[in-house]
Amino acid sequence: GIQVEQSPPDLILQEGANSTLRCNFSDSVNNLQWFHQNPWGQLINLFYIPSGTKQNGRLSATTVATERYSLLYISSSQTTDSGVYFCAVDPKGSQGNLIFGKGTKLSVKP
Amino acid sequence: KAGVTQTPRYLIKTRGQQVTLSCSPISGHRSVSWYQQTPGQGLQFLFEYFSETQRNKGNFPGRFSGRQFSNSRSEMNVSTLELGDSALYLCASRPGTVNYGYTFGSGTRLTVV
Repeated sequence: GIQVEQSPPDLILQEGANSTLRCNFSDSVNNLQWFHQNPWGQLINLFYIPSGTKQNGRLSATTVATERYSLLYISSSQTTDSGVYFCAVDPKGSQGNLIFGKGTKLSVKP
Repeated sequence: KAGVTQTPRYLIKTRGQQVTLSCSPISGHRSVSWYQQTPGQGLQFLFEYFSETQRNKGNFPGRFSGRQFSNSRSEMNVSTLELGDSALYLCASRPGTVNYGYTFGSGTRLTVV
């Protein structure tokens, strides 16, 4: 089955720094989403981005489907950005079966 | 509009018991998926329902089952609970086609003792 790899697994930043999180996937996908898991466990949808670039405030994402990777950019990080970021893909030919990466745990220090 | 609602938020059960978790999707969403999250295995797909039909199932034993009602609300059931079933169970919904992203609920945290 499709493999989803995220890097780095852990990231520690000072407040105000920028970061890039990467997601590689091993096969074609219908869609790709980035999520932020809050301390209470809820997965907050950041981007639905099967291809192209999107921006939402300090966050932006780019997916290059032909090369099977996606990047999540966080600029001017804040302590509230801390948490785990997941990339998930919906494989082609599948129905409702999101495959998640293991996540990147981000810690932003004041 | 209201998001995906999962009940209960927390649950403690004893080994051997059974449990039923509930998920109400966003109004108009017809696809509901369930996921299990554990520290060791990460987020794993359980099953997906669309218009009361199970369209896809993950690699879980038959003790895990689910259903969807005509109003798109879904329930999942775990019978003969084991300690390893302790996990965060997350439900997600989307309109129904592959061209939309998923919205997740807050989850049900199940502890089996």
